[in-house]
Amino acid sequence: AQSVTQLDSQVPVFEEAPVELRCNYSSSVSVYLFWYVQYPNQGLQLLLKYLSGSTLVKGINGFEAEFNKSQTSFHLRKPSVHISDTAEYFCAVTSVYNQGGKLIFGQGTELSVKP
Amino acid sequence: DTAVSQTPKYLVTQMGNDKSIKCEQNLGHDTMYWYKQDSKKFLKIMFSYNNKELIINETVPNRFSPKSPDKAHLNLHINSLELGDSAVYFCASSPLGGGNTEAFFGQGTRLTVV
Repeated sequence: AQSVTQLDSQVPVFEEAPVELRCNYSSSVSVYLFWYVQYPNQGLQLLLKYLSGSTLVKGINGFEAEFNKSQTSFHLRKPSVHISDTAEYFCAVTSVYNQGGKLIFGQGTELSVKP
Repeated sequence: DTAVSQTPKYLVTQMGNDKSIKCEQNLGHDTMYWYKQDSKKFLKIMFSYNNKELIINETVPNRFSPKSPDKAHLNLHINSLELGDSAVYFCASSPLGGGNTEAFFGQGTRLTVV
């Protein structure tokens, strides 16, 4: 079984500042890792994913994440945030052994960007 | 064109009623899902269907019954609604039921049981 812990429930930050949203996971098997974003009253949109290869993954809207197998982490970063980045961010994992495509989500991190 | 569409977007109903949420995807995907997001925004999978066949049923009460008339549709019917069923329900789809494919989510249906 897998589990995901997002270490911060809320992250307030000023516009143009850098941000890091932390995600740790637990799994007895290899996993794929994802970050999704949910804007208010909308569905989830994929930001980026790690499947294999380079541990630094670049996604949409200037976000990137680094997979660290030894620390079982997949932290999301952006060097300079915008007001429009205000949203809920979800880290998710799934087993590489295809359990019907089931995603296990973290509790979410609310990113609030202030002017 | 909306890739994954759900109707209705909002649903307010009384306890004990039966209601349905419809989902359609025009992406040609083989796998569809229902996820529930509770009041604390925690997301959990409920069901997964692959080509109309039930793959995952995550110990959801029998009052919830998914129906997939074809691989582009996955509807959710809920009997005898309870207060605890209030949540946002998301439909999603992916090309295959494999973990290495992106899931595309609908806009969600906010169900309020009063």
